[in-house]
Amino acid sequence: ETGVTQTPRHLVMGMTNKKSLKCEQHLGHNAMYWYKQSAKKPLELMFVYSLEERVENNSVPSRFSPECPNSSHLFLHLHTLQPEDSALYLCASSQGTGTGNTIYFGEGSWLTVV
Amino acid sequence: GIQVEQSPPDLILQEGANSTLRCNFSDSVNNLQWFHQNPWGQLINLFYIPSGTKQNGRLSATTVATERYSLLYISSSQTTDSGVYFCAVEPGNMLTFGGGTRLMVKP
Repeated sequence: ETGVTQTPRHLVMGMTNKKSLKCEQHLGHNAMYWYKQSAKKPLELMFVYSLEERVENNSVPSRFSPECPNSSHLFLHLHTLQPEDSALYLCASSQGTGTGNTIYFGEGSWLTVV
Repeated sequence: GIQVEQSPPDLILQEGANSTLRCNFSDSVNNLQWFHQNPWGQLINLFYIPSGTKQNGRLSATTVATERYSLLYISSSQTTDSGVYFCAVEPGNMLTFGGGTRLMVKP
């Protein structure tokens, strides 16, 4: 238990569906992240929020839409996804975004797009 | 951007054996972390080690920042050590992950 909780753990969705991934951290951290992990690829940073403001967006397609209503919650809204978007989506948090911050990951949400 | 290479990509050990995993990076970094990802996807932070040596039970890590590499040592391996080991470096203030070493420990 790392203090970062993700739901759902598994999700299967069609290409025309709209779904959301949820992340909640109980660590009192100020920064939250979404990472994507595809087979045979390194983890890719998607979005970073610091104090509820987006500070990093690594050229992610608009069919992925993040939302950070407060420093403890982070969502990833999904719509009109493609089969190649199937992957493990990992949420993480850290005290801040500067150097020296240890990052803590959730258990991940396994997404399959059919 | 910075390149992070891990070796070996795959490793199979017999329970009780020792191993060394390597992480090379192409530029100076402010931060280096080692993670273990279990077969269910959970990533656990093992070490925060921008330089020097740290030990935690059967695991230890050494980073030689001037030579741009880090080593993770696993001694007396157990089947629960199986999974993927990632190093991640922070040249600025965002982590860049290596490709990982997939470890399987056989009973």
